[in-house]
Amino acid sequence: SYVLTQPPSMSVAPGQTARITCGGNNIGTKSVHWYQHNPGQAPVLVVYDDSDRPSGIPERFSGSKSENTATLTITRVEAGDEADYYCHVRDSSSEHVVFGGGTKLTVL
Amino acid sequence: QVQLVQSGDEVKKPGASVKVSCTASGYTFTSYYVHWVRQAPGQGLEWMGIINPLFGRSTYAQRFRGRLTVTKDTSTETVYMELSSLRSGDTALYYCARSLGDSSAFDVWGQGTLVSVSS
Repeated sequence: SYVLTQPPSMSVAPGQTARITCGGNNIGTKSVHWYQHNPGQAPVLVVYDDSDRPSGIPERFSGSKSENTATLTITRVEAGDEADYYCHVRDSSSEHVVFGGGTKLTVL
Repeated sequence: QVQLVQSGDEVKKPGASVKVSCTASGYTFTSYYVHWVRQAPGQGLEWMGIINPLFGRSTYAQRFRGRLTVTKDTSTETVYMELSSLRSGDTALYYCARSLGDSSAFDVWGQGTLVSVSS
């Protein structure tokens, strides 16, 4: 089955840039979506189709992708950005949705 | 406004079944797929399955096949998730979410339903 690999955690100081990676075999051929999740609340879509941003999501959030890695970049990090972040793709061979394991972002 | 509203929290005993509803409003029900995703305590998001509300076709993650049934009632614009043979490991927060296509992002989520399994 298809696997997405994220670092379990990362820390960044306020005002700095956080880059959260999502590795997967040939992920460059898939549409990658990113969610911000605070436990106990519904996840929020922050980037869709690799690099597009839903309305209401700050420009500080952006997405990019290479052959085997997708990256969510958060610039000028704020305390309110502290959350878990998940990447998501659909594996066309199995017709299943796959989530990465999630990355806990801590703002120092 | 566009929203998905889920039924209330449930407490079940091992071996029982649970049925959680997800009622859509503010958009054309048959135009969006509905997925079920869960998060167990201390764990990440886990995709369970998907239904196409137009045709009623469902697809399930391998680990839930035989225990999971996702259905829809177009007249009430509601999708149901039924999980049987519950065990303690099924204790989780269960979410429904919609997507425009089967590989599209989940742009609207339900508020979540806590299912607790305990003897």
